[in-house]
Amino acid sequence: DVKVTQSSRYLVKRTGEKVFLECVQDMDHENMFWYRQDPGLGLRLIYFSYDVKMKEKGDIPEGYSVSREKKERFSLILESASTSQTSMYLCASSIMGTAHEQYFGPGTRLTVT
Amino acid sequence: GDSVTQMEGPVTLSEEAFLTINCTYTATGYPSLFWYVQYPGEGLQLLLKATKADDKGSNKGFEATYRKETTSFHLEKGSVQVSDSAVYFCALSMNTGFQKLVFGTGTRLLVSP
Repeated sequence: DVKVTQSSRYLVKRTGEKVFLECVQDMDHENMFWYRQDPGLGLRLIYFSYDVKMKEKGDIPEGYSVSREKKERFSLILESASTSQTSMYLCASSIMGTAHEQYFGPGTRLTVT
Repeated sequence: GDSVTQMEGPVTLSEEAFLTINCTYTATGYPSLFWYVQYPGEGLQLLLKATKADDKGSNKGFEATYRKETTSFHLEKGSVQVSDSAVYFCALSMNTGFQKLVFGTGTRLLVSP
C-alpha cells in the first residue's frame, strides 16, 4: 500500500514563528502536493512538485514556500506564521502522468496563536 | 476557470437509506471526474472516477455517471451504512497538461443506525 506520512497530526505555533511541515511518501512517486483544507472552501492547492528540486505554485502560494531535496520528501514552510494560516494541511503524492490519482496523508492540523 | 460545485451538507440519513450527493462542474474542455472520500481522522482516498461522457464509475456500492449534457457527476448509493459517514469531495482534472485536481467544497454525510 502507498503510504504518505506527515510529521505531526497536531501543531501549535505562535505568530511570527517559522514552521516546517514534513511529508514523506514511500512509493517512489514523482509528483507531490501540498493543500490546505478549510470548512466551506474545500481543498486548495498551495504548491506542487513534479521532480526533485522542482516546484510550481498552486492557487494560494502566498505566505508559503516548499522544498524538495529528495524524491520521497516534500516540505512546506511558513516563513512567518500568521493566524490566517491556521488550517488543516494535507500532503499528497502521485506517479508521473497521473496527477489526478493522488494518495493523501492524514493531515496536520496547525493552529497559529 | 474550471470549478466544481457540490451540495452543501451535512446530509443526514438513516442506515439503509438511498444516498445522492449532487455535483456539477464548469470546465473549458472535457475533464475527467472523480469522487474522493475522507473518513474521520484520515486523508482523502480516491473512491471512483470517470474519464469520458457516459462513463459510470463505481466502487464499494457507490456509483456516479459522467453526464456531459448536464455537466454533472452525482454520487449515489442504494443503501448506506454507518461506516459510510465521511466527507465526500467531487473533483475534476483536465486531460491536458499536468492534470491537477480541482476540488469541490466537500459534503459531509452522517449515517445513523
